[in-house]
Amino acid sequence: GDSVTQMEGPVTLSEEAFLTINCTYTATGYPSLFWYVQYPGEGLQLLLKATKADDKGSNKGFEATYRKETTSFHLEKGSVQVSDSAVYFCALIRSGNTPLVFGKGTRLSVIA
Amino acid sequence: DSGVTQTPKHLITATGQRVTLRCSPRSGDLSVYWYQQSLDQGLQFLIQYYNGEERAKGNILERFSAQQFPDLHSELNLSSLELGDSALYFCASSVAVKVGAGTEAFFGQGTRLTVV
Repeated sequence: GDSVTQMEGPVTLSEEAFLTINCTYTATGYPSLFWYVQYPGEGLQLLLKATKADDKGSNKGFEATYRKETTSFHLEKGSVQVSDSAVYFCALIRSGNTPLVFGKGTRLSVIA
Repeated sequence: DSGVTQTPKHLITATGQRVTLRCSPRSGDLSVYWYQQSLDQGLQFLIQYYNGEERAKGNILERFSAQQFPDLHSELNLSSLELGDSALYFCASSVAVKVGAGTEAFFGQGTRLTVV
């Protein structure tokens, strides 16, 4: 079945450091890919998405490129802030009546 | 604020009991999804309803059931509760039957269930 694999956390970075959170997926066909963010005590919010190969999703300084050849959708940010501390989830949805499939999440802590 | 409302925010109950979690989707959204988030299993899809009808089923136990009412709110019923059912239960809604290009799922803040 469909699955998403994320790098294990937690990830701890200093402010202004470069962030990469790896995400790879397994799915038939051409899924749409998403990154969701969960801040402490809150629900998940869509951070960015890409719906076809080579698309780049971006939002709030975060970027991820849909790489079909490597089945990956790695999240990057050039300079993290303390306010980026949260849990980040990679997710996919395939065509048809299938729901969002999530990775296990990666907890990011940014220290000043 | 996502516009998705879940009640209650916290629930503590004993093993063997039954509880009902409620979700009000965003205005105009026809799809409601239920997810269970636990530390070891991550986010597990339970079930989806679209305009009152069940559309997709995930790893939902037989002790659990859900429904979507004519006003589009949804309830998740958990019965014969076990310690392992302790988790955060999320509801999400979207305007379409399937999240994808042009549509996204909006999540509520969740109900934290603790079974003691």
